Amino acid sequence: LAKTTQPISMDSYEGQEVNITCSHNNIATNDYITWYQQFPSQGPRFIIQGYKTKVTNEVASLFIPADRKSSTLSLPRVSLSDTAVYYCLVGDDDTGRRALTFGSGTRLQVQP
Amino acid sequence: GAVVSQHPSRVICKSGTSVKIECRSLDFQATTMFWYRQFPKKSLMLMATSNEGSKATYEQGVEKDKFLINHASLTLSTLTVTSAHPEDSSFYICSAPGLAGGIGDNEQFFGPGTRLTVL
Repeated sequence: LAKTTQPISMDSYEGQEVNITCSHNNIATNDYITWYQQFPSQGPRFIIQGYKTKVTNEVASLFIPADRKSSTLSLPRVSLSDTAVYYCLVGDDDTGRRALTFGSGTRLQVQP
Repeated sequence: GAVVSQHPSRVICKSGTSVKIECRSLDFQATTMFWYRQFPKKSLMLMATSNEGSKATYEQGVEKDKFLINHASLTLSTLTVTSAHPEDSSFYICSAPGLAGGIGDNEQFFGPGTRLTVL
């Protein structure tokens, strides 16, 4: 599994766009990039997954450059309820059916 | 979407007692489930893989005789913490893979977690 590196924490204010970057220099050809969100005292929740370029859903956007050595999770106009830990994971397309290896994640704190 | 439940959500017990935590997939079948443990301000750590109809697979350093796992049916896995001690106090989370080829087949569905406090 490719090792990932994310900032330990980030602070933002309500209404701002938040971009969390994850480095994965050793990503393999078959690997996908997946992000999970974990609220305090809850289990993680799948946010988004991508392989290359840009993926967007109702929650977030995921930007992946051509070399795929990093990715950026973009949360548009955050609210207080977006305060959570965000985990970046890298693995092949069977990742969803295997045990996940979580890194330290990025703790996002949204202030009023 | 697929839902995974856990019961109880919170439990406090005395040292030396055993505690059972249930993990259920509510609207789908899961032949495999995963159990994680999370200490405060830390990331999730995989404890074991629960397999329906066969023995669980434990991660290195996890005592199988202390953390008993039973995957009794396609929708239920249980984790029993035997002879619990204060150092077993933690947040226990289970997950189940999405259906292959179906909606959510590239994600895992996590339970809400069980907070265990051993006095």
